Amino acid sequence: NAGVTQTPKFRVLKTGQSMTLLCAQDMNHEYMYWYRQDPGMGLRLIHYSVGEGTTAKGEVPDGYNVSRLKKQNFLLGLESAAPSQTSVYFCASSYPSGTNSPLHFGNGTRLTVT
Amino acid sequence: LAKTTQPISMDSYEGQEVNITCSHNNIATNDYITWYQQFPSQGPRFIIQGYKTKVTNEVASLFIPADRKSSTLSLPRVSLSDTAVYYCLVGDGRSYNTDKLIFGTGTRLQVFP
Repeated sequence: NAGVTQTPKFRVLKTGQSMTLLCAQDMNHEYMYWYRQDPGMGLRLIHYSVGEGTTAKGEVPDGYNVSRLKKQNFLLGLESAAPSQTSVYFCASSYPSGTNSPLHFGNGTRLTVT
Repeated sequence: LAKTTQPISMDSYEGQEVNITCSHNNIATNDYITWYQQFPSQGPRFIIQGYKTKVTNEVASLFIPADRKSSTLSLPRVSLSDTAVYYCLVGDGRSYNTDKLIFGTGTRLQVFP
């Protein structure tokens, strides 16, 4: 069972470059999320999706775009990378159930913007 | 805002019981309390979840008082491998309110030999 898979694991960008981070889950989860984590800090929600074709802003959405064209995939895009976007990015997914469904996380993408 | 407050860090020794408390004064009726564990270079992973009173699994226990304004994660007889950051999250699973998807800075637990 793969769970939540993030690609790539590492990436170095120059300021102004663009890239897309891919998140794939094989658990048939409806909800998917993108978080960023900076050194010594907790996770901050960037964007999330409650189903295929839907996205919504989280706590820190500026500078990022997302797409959920397929239920199993959630893409995070950086159109023009900035040094402030140097971080570790985590994707998560969950069921939308009547009880609180735990989040299942990937192992992250470490992004450095120079 | 559905905000949680935890101690920034805690130290313990192997074999001791560790209790980490999370304050969530604005918890709503439908909210559950979920704890996650995060090791360096990994994503958080689910430990335990509860709504009221006490929940126990093979890893930990979760104690929730009647007013549900706080909760305590209890790790029995910790080992070096329990050194990690522990997060408390309060939410109802429908995730329409992003306040309930916000992790705090967590509690950094350091276990010494």
